[in-house]
Amino acid sequence: AQTVTQSQPEMSVQEAETVTLSCTYDTSESDYYLFWYKQPPSRQMILVIRQEAYKQQNATENRFSVNFQKAAKSFSLKISDSQLGDAAMYFCASGIWAGGGADGLTFGKGTHLIIQP
Amino acid sequence: DGGITQSPKYLFRKEGQNVTLSCEQNLNHDAMYWYRQDPGQGLRLIYYSQIVNDFQKGDIAEGYSVSREKKESFPLTVTSAQKNPTAFYLCASSIKANTEAFFGQGTRLTVV
Repeated sequence: AQTVTQSQPEMSVQEAETVTLSCTYDTSESDYYLFWYKQPPSRQMILVIRQEAYKQQNATENRFSVNFQKAAKSFSLKISDSQLGDAAMYFCASGIWAGGGADGLTFGKGTHLIIQP
Repeated sequence: DGGITQSPKYLFRKEGQNVTLSCEQNLNHDAMYWYRQDPGQGLRLIYYSQIVNDFQKGDIAEGYSVSREKKESFPLTVTSAQKNPTAFYLCASSIKANTEAFFGQGTRLTVV
């Protein structure tokens, strides 16, 4: 079984500053994927960034980047130059490759990100 | 435009009644999922389907049922056996195992 832990229920950052959201996970699988999803007040789940466990290079998407520490089972999200539109719930999630089957994702409980103008 | 459509957006149910939530996708995805979201709980997997006419229980399947008669459709029935059905329900799909999951806009179910 997989577990995903987000230890920060809420984070606050000034507009234009940088913030890092923490996530740790536990899995016995060797082939897995990690994701960060954003859920704004509309409640639409939006993929922010993904990381394949076999890739050593940290994924980046514009202002969003991750720090993937495989040995420590840590997967933090860094948001640079924070914008008001970044305010949302952020969920960390993991999924395993199950021999061609799709088992679904395991989600953390989320971090509520507040952007101060 | 391709995407996932969930309907209705809001649903009210009386205690003891079954209710069915609709999920349709035109992305040609093989896998589909149902998640439940409660305040402070994140998303929890109810059921998933990898292929037509096949589906598997997730972590919290009790009180729910699904069908997958067509690739595009994966309806979820919340039965009277579900003790606490009030929640936000999200449907998702993906091309294959654990690549990016695309989500619908959700259905808010309230038991009255």
